[in-house]
Amino acid sequence: AQSVTQLDSQVPVFEEAPVELRCNYSSSVSVYLFWYVQYPNQGLQLLLKYLSGSTLVKGINGFEAEFNKSQTSFHLRKPSVHISDTAEYFCAVTFNDYKLSFGAGTTVTVRA
Amino acid sequence: DTAVSQTPKYLVTQMGNDKSIKCEQNLGHDTMYWYKQDSKKFLKIMFSYNNKELIINETVPNRFSPKSPDKAHLNLHINSLELGDSAVYFCASSSKGASTDTQYFGPGTRLTVL
Repeated sequence: AQSVTQLDSQVPVFEEAPVELRCNYSSSVSVYLFWYVQYPNQGLQLLLKYLSGSTLVKGINGFEAEFNKSQTSFHLRKPSVHISDTAEYFCAVTFNDYKLSFGAGTTVTVRA
Repeated sequence: DTAVSQTPKYLVTQMGNDKSIKCEQNLGHDTMYWYKQDSKKFLKIMFSYNNKELIINETVPNRFSPKSPDKAHLNLHINSLELGDSAVYFCASSSKGASTDTQYFGPGTRLTVL
């Protein structure tokens, strides 16, 4: 079965600390991987995506993610977070069709 | 210069009513989508249109009917609203509807059914 799992539903973090959000997927076919961010009361916007090539992908606002095929993971990281990074983060995958399947989301709360 | 816009932003209505949500994109994209985000923030695709043709129609009650008058617009009409329809509905668009496309989301319409 094809699925995408975000392992942490909530991640509290202090300002200027690093953060890692975990995403795993299950698939027998090739996948394309995305991270989207949803700021409070807004729509989603793309942080980064992995299509092919280098497994380390850099995105907007200092975020990066690493695709690990053997572990079927696509974890998102930021070395130093700001208060403005408080948001909901969604891992999403397209399997062998063009439908975007979302994980359940991770709420990141950055505290001063 | 909003890329994907939705109206209204908030919609409060009584059970049994019929309502519509409108979506417009000015990105020149061929493909548009409707998503439902429930109270737990889980996002699920409902419909997708490519150049006015329906290409994704997930398991959604037939009270929900999308309409695409042209490729820049995708509206969602909901008949006989039920309490369980309360959610945030997002419109999105992408260039060609390919698996690799970035999807651009509107700000959402928060529907509350009383």
